[in-house]
Amino acid sequence: EAQVTQNPRYLITVTGKKLTVTCSQNMNHEYMSWYRQDPGLGLRQIYYSMNVEVTDKGDVPEGYKVSRKEKRNFPLILESPSPNQTSLYFCASSSGRSTDEQYFGPGTRLTVT
Amino acid sequence: GNSVTQMEGPVTLSEEAFLTINCTYTATGYPSLFWYVQYPGEGLQLLLKATKADDKGSNKGFEATYRKETTSFHLEKGSVQVSDSAVYFCALSDPWYTGNQFYFGTGTSLTVIP
Repeated sequence: EAQVTQNPRYLITVTGKKLTVTCSQNMNHEYMSWYRQDPGLGLRQIYYSMNVEVTDKGDVPEGYKVSRKEKRNFPLILESPSPNQTSLYFCASSSGRSTDEQYFGPGTRLTVT
Repeated sequence: GNSVTQMEGPVTLSEEAFLTINCTYTATGYPSLFWYVQYPGEGLQLLLKATKADDKGSNKGFEATYRKETTSFHLEKGSVQVSDSAVYFCALSDPWYTGNQFYFGTGTSLTVIP
């Protein structure tokens, strides 16, 4: 089954404690993205990657890091989380062809206290 | 540049009412257009798409037509059900991208009451 998986699904942490949210896709997709979703603000892109070792900033990259060492994985790293990073996070992947849609993961709800 | 503008919500309708959610876009080329749906507690999933002008995408009773002359891709359904309550996102994919490929609207929340 084609899918994007994210882990963990729920996470409560404290300010400053480094964390990683994993994302993996099994469709051999080249393009992967991270978004955050906040009430009233819609989806905002954090980072994207067009291929292995190729990443770039989206609209709201401050406080986040990513890496793309393998095609299937695209982890999101918060080196020093702060309460304003409390949000719902989605990973997505696509083939890179403009006629193809993005496939989204189930989401990770992060709370930083 | 590329952008997507969709109608503000929230939208509340009675069951069996007609639904329209407006979406217009700005693009430098000829994008593909998508509607995604997000049910409560879930991720986004593709509802329908259209990849060229005058194409009509359809799924689950929803339809949208790619109108190049008005740069629009409005979502319609003739008779909504309670199970259609969700957030709907309009999006475009840039065929000439060298960086970001996808652009999303802000989402429209729909609640259908019995």
